[in-house]
Amino acid sequence: LAKTTQPISMDSYEGQEVNITCSHNNIATNDYITWYQQFPSQGPRFIIQGYKTKVTNEVASLFIPADRKSSTLSLPRVSLSDTAVYYCLVISNFGNEKLTFGTGTRLTIIP
Amino acid sequence: GAVVSQHPSRVICKSGTSVKIECRSLDFQATTMFWYRQFPKQSLMLMATSNEGSKATYEQGVEKDKFLINHASLTLSTLTVTSAHPEDSSFYICSATPLDAGPYEQYFGPGTRLTVT
Repeated sequence: LAKTTQPISMDSYEGQEVNITCSHNNIATNDYITWYQQFPSQGPRFIIQGYKTKVTNEVASLFIPADRKSSTLSLPRVSLSDTAVYYCLVISNFGNEKLTFGTGTRLTIIP
Repeated sequence: GAVVSQHPSRVICKSGTSVKIECRSLDFQATTMFWYRQFPKQSLMLMATSNEGSKATYEQGVEKDKFLINHASLTLSTLTVTSAHPEDSSFYICSATPLDAGPYEQYFGPGTRLTVT
């Protein structure tokens, strides 16, 4: 499983765009980049997944450069409810693969 | 969407007793379920992989005789913490994968907070 590295914590003000970068230098050809969000005392929730270039959904955007060794999760106009831990994982294209969670990034939104 | 439930959501037990936690996939069948443990301010740590109809696969350092896992049906896996001690106090989370899952389709339960006194 490819190891990921992301900042331990980040702070941002409400209404700002937040970008969280994740490094995954050893990503394999079959790996997808996946981000989960976890609120305190809850299970992780899937946010977005991508393989290359850019993916956008109603919650976030994911930017992946051509070499795929890093990725950036972009949260537009954050609110207080976006305060959570965000985990970046690389997952091969098999649904039943066990997931290895890194430290995650603890995002705190300031009013 | 796929929903995974856990029961109970929180439990307090005395040291030396056993506690059973249930993980259910409510609207899909799952041949594989995973059990994680999370201590405060830390990341999720995979404990074991639970396969329907077969023995669970435990991660290194996880005692299989202490954390008993049963996956008797395609919608239910149970984790029993036997002879619980205060150091077993943690947040236990399960996840499940649908039978015809895509690359990211692991759905997590809401977690169970265990406190051993």
